[in-house]
Amino acid sequence: DIQMTQSPASLSASLGETVTIECRASEDIYNGLAWYQQKPGKSPQLLIYNANSLHTGVPSRFSGSGSGTQYSLKINSLQSEDVASYFCQQYYNYPLTFGSGTKLEIK
Amino acid sequence: EIQLQESGPGLVKPSQSLSLTCSVTGYTITSGYDWSWIRKFPGNKMEWMGYISYSGSTNYNPSLKSRISITRDTSKNQFFLQLNSVTTEDTATYYCASGWYFDFWGPGTMVTVSS
Repeated sequence: DIQMTQSPASLSASLGETVTIECRASEDIYNGLAWYQQKPGKSPQLLIYNANSLHTGVPSRFSGSGSGTQYSLKINSLQSEDVASYFCQQYYNYPLTFGSGTKLEIK
Repeated sequence: EIQLQESGPGLVKPSQSLSLTCSVTGYTITSGYDWSWIRKFPGNKMEWMGYISYSGSTNYNPSLKSRISITRDTSKNQFFLQLNSVTTEDTATYYCASGWYFDFWGPGTMVTVSS
């Protein structure tokens, strides 16, 4: 199985700041990576696919980058509605696997 | 727009089988996509359990391979999860979702395994 190591586990930032969340795969996943946002009591929502493609309707302050085994999600100009958990998922190989999640709070 | 909705018992006894239904609207499950079951444990770990494809083939997480079955009823546009011999470690919120990366999810259903 491909292991996804996500960091940090939690993050506190001020409104308007830029934050970055990282995911490292245990082997090359050739950009087969998605990022999700999950708010309490809700199902996950797709933000980014193919490592850097913005899903329909997702604000442009979200962006994804990376290649090989290293990937990141950047949120520019943090808004109050961005308070959520974020996690990555690789779909290069089965079984599909997820990162352990990052809980984002407003300072 | 594709909508998914999970349904099933919220409480299952240890050693019994867990059975859930995912009802899909807005898209015919034989038209495309893989249709997956995913669960989120207390403590937030997420696990992909398996899928049934639009053609009816299945693919399961090896960690569950001996206990899991995913089937479908194309006349009702539904697919199903059966997980056998459950233990308290199967307590989780269960989601159905579409795709390899998951662009549509159900709201989730919480299942507790307890006597």
